[in-house]
Amino acid sequence: SAVISQKPSRDICQRGTSLTIQCQVDSQVTMMFWYRQQPGQSLTLIATANQGSEATYESGFVIDKFPISRPNLTFSTLTVSNMSPEDSSIYLCSAATSAQETQYFGPGTRLLVL
Amino acid sequence: QKEVEQNSGPLSVPEGAIASLNCTYSDRGSQSFFWYRQYSGKSPELIMSIYSNGDKEDGRFTAQLNKASQYVSLLIRDSQPSDSATYLCAFRSGSARQLTFGSGTQLTVLP
Repeated sequence: SAVISQKPSRDICQRGTSLTIQCQVDSQVTMMFWYRQQPGQSLTLIATANQGSEATYESGFVIDKFPISRPNLTFSTLTVSNMSPEDSSIYLCSAATSAQETQYFGPGTRLLVL
Repeated sequence: QKEVEQNSGPLSVPEGAIASLNCTYSDRGSQSFFWYRQYSGKSPELIMSIYSNGDKEDGRFTAQLNKASQYVSLLIRDSQPSDSATYLCAFRSGSARQLTFGSGTQLTVLP
């Protein structure tokens, strides 16, 4: 399994600002994903981070709000832009070694927007 | 209709009992099924994956898959207080790369 780290682990931000979350995997992986988990809720996929090309976003999520980068096979970033209190959530990075392989999760980033 | 339905919780069982967690799904193209455990304040961790009909056992955990009836279950034998967590079922459909998660079932094992 892959070991995944995320930075920051938590943050408190002001409305209207942006936060970039970093995800680092200890080995090369094919697939990287970003999920959101709102309090008491299950996981919702935001997008698939594609290496060398634009991310693939799920319905309800747009690049202007959640720009994603993936410069190589071990690293990705998610930016939450122009934040509002509704963006307060846990953001989780996930990785898999191939499209059909098991996904493993990072520890998450707990975001509170005031 | 939700894609994934998990049995409503919270679920409480006494220590040593069998905990039964169930999940039904609507997409008949689903190929891969997973159970994740999530402790409060932590990220999900994989417990079991199952791809074929029948039972798959790993220690105290048994996953059961019935594609005809479109359900997958997780049995936890000899439940321990440390098993208290939220359990999430997830599936991958066909050639899709992403997982679809259920809403989760909160399990409490009472000492």
